[in-house]
Amino acid sequence: EVQLVQSGAEVKKPGESLKISCKGSGYSFISYWIGWVRQMPGKGLEWMGIIYPGDSDTRYSPSFQGQVTISADKSISTAYLQWSSLKASDTAMYYCARGSPTENAFDVWGQGTMVTVSS
Amino acid sequence: SYDLTQPPSVSVSPGQTASITCSGDKLGDKYVCWYQQKPGQSPVLVIYQDSKRPSGIPERFSGSNSGNTATLTISGTQAMDEADYYCQAWDSSTAGYYVFGTGTKVTVL
Repeated sequence: EVQLVQSGAEVKKPGESLKISCKGSGYSFISYWIGWVRQMPGKGLEWMGIIYPGDSDTRYSPSFQGQVTISADKSISTAYLQWSSLKASDTAMYYCARGSPTENAFDVWGQGTMVTVSS
Repeated sequence: SYDLTQPPSVSVSPGQTASITCSGDKLGDKYVCWYQQKPGQSPVLVIYQDSKRPSGIPERFSGSNSGNTATLTISGTQAMDEADYYCQAWDSSTAGYYVFGTGTKVTVL
């Protein structure tokens, strides 16, 4: 079964750093893009960026460029999303999703990681 | 930046047809897909490459894309189709660059 399993919910203070993960299984991890999507409480989906684990080619939405870092470790089939200094406005659900090159869409989604930033 | 606009809400009676539009500049030149998201759940892909259905998605879901507008149509809408729906565009000229629409809440009355 193709799966993306994300790390658990996080509660952090403003200014702290954070790295959340997304582990793929059941398919060739290096052959598909992994994208990250933000959903703020009660709001819509926002595409943050995408990485190709095979060669670490990474692209960011202009809205998130410089705000987050996307990386991947293909040896353990895991992609990451990290912040160096969290803000309260980073409070949101974050999803990873598999980008299918043949379907030009995100065909498999993780369960989401809720990040809460509060003093 | 590239924007995709959807109506905030669409209401439909059970058994009737719901149409959800997604508008963007020269959208017909790009691939469009659609996601369904129910409360507390992750999104699910229901249409890709404008009109194709992934395995397991009911035939009542269909899509089209031309000009500046893509449309998701739900024929014979069922109560279980009540959800938020998002379009997404993928542009081959900037491979790997995606954008989501604003989202539409479909209510089955």
